[in-house]
Amino acid sequence: KQEVTQIPAALSVPEGENLVLNCSFTDSAIYNLQWFRQDPGKGLTSLLLIQSSQREQTSGRLNASLDKSSGRSTLYIAASQPGDSATYLCAVRNSYSGGGADGLTFGKGTHLIIQP
Amino acid sequence: GAVVSQHPSWVICKSGTSVKIECRSLDFQATTMFWYRQFPKQSLMLMATSNEGSKATYEQGVEKDKFLINHASLTLSTLTVTSAHPEDSSFYICSGYQGEQYFGPGTRLTVT
Repeated sequence: KQEVTQIPAALSVPEGENLVLNCSFTDSAIYNLQWFRQDPGKGLTSLLLIQSSQREQTSGRLNASLDKSSGRSTLYIAASQPGDSATYLCAVRNSYSGGGADGLTFGKGTHLIIQP
Repeated sequence: GAVVSQHPSWVICKSGTSVKIECRSLDFQATTMFWYRQFPKQSLMLMATSNEGSKATYEQGVEKDKFLINHASLTLSTLTVTSAHPEDSSFYICSGYQGEQYFGPGTRLTVT
C-alpha cells in the first residue's frame, strides 16, 4: 500500500527566504506526482504535476523535482511571500491500473507560514 | 482550467438523518469522479471512485451502505451520508477526472 510522507509538518520562515518542502513515497510505481496548495477550510489548488518520466516542473517561483527511483520529490519556493502561507500537499497517482483513472494518495501536508 | 463545484459548502445535520452532497463538473465531462474526506490535521483519504453509469468502487474500510454514491451523468456525482453520526463529521472533497483530477471546494459536514 502506497504511503506518502511530508517533512516538515510545519514551517515558519521570514518573507523573502527560499525554502524546500519534502515528500517521500514508499512505492516507486507511480504514474505521476502532484503538489497542491490548500488554504484553511478550502479545496485544493493544483500547483505542479510531474509525470513519472519527468524530473522536474517549474511554474513561476515554484519548482518541483521528482526522483522516482528513490521515492522522493521536493517543492522549491523561491523568494517566499506572505501570500504563500498555506498547507502544501503532495499526492501520488499509482500506476496499478495501466493508465485508467485512479485515486490519489496524499501526504498529511506541510503547514507553511511566511512571516511579513 | 477545469472547474468542479460542490453543494452545499457546509451543512449541519442531526444524528440519524441523511445528507446529500453534490459534485458537478462545470465545463467538462467527467466519466470518473472521486470522493475524499479529510479529518482535522489529517491527509485527504480516498473514499470511493465513481464511474458514470456504474456502481462506485469503495476503498477498504468505507461502508458502501452508509456512503451512497450516484454518478448518473457525466457532470454530476452525489454522495449521500445515511444515518449520519458525529464521527462522520468531516470535510468531504470531490474531484472530476479529465487527464488529471480537478478538485471541488469541499463540503464541511457537521453532525450534531
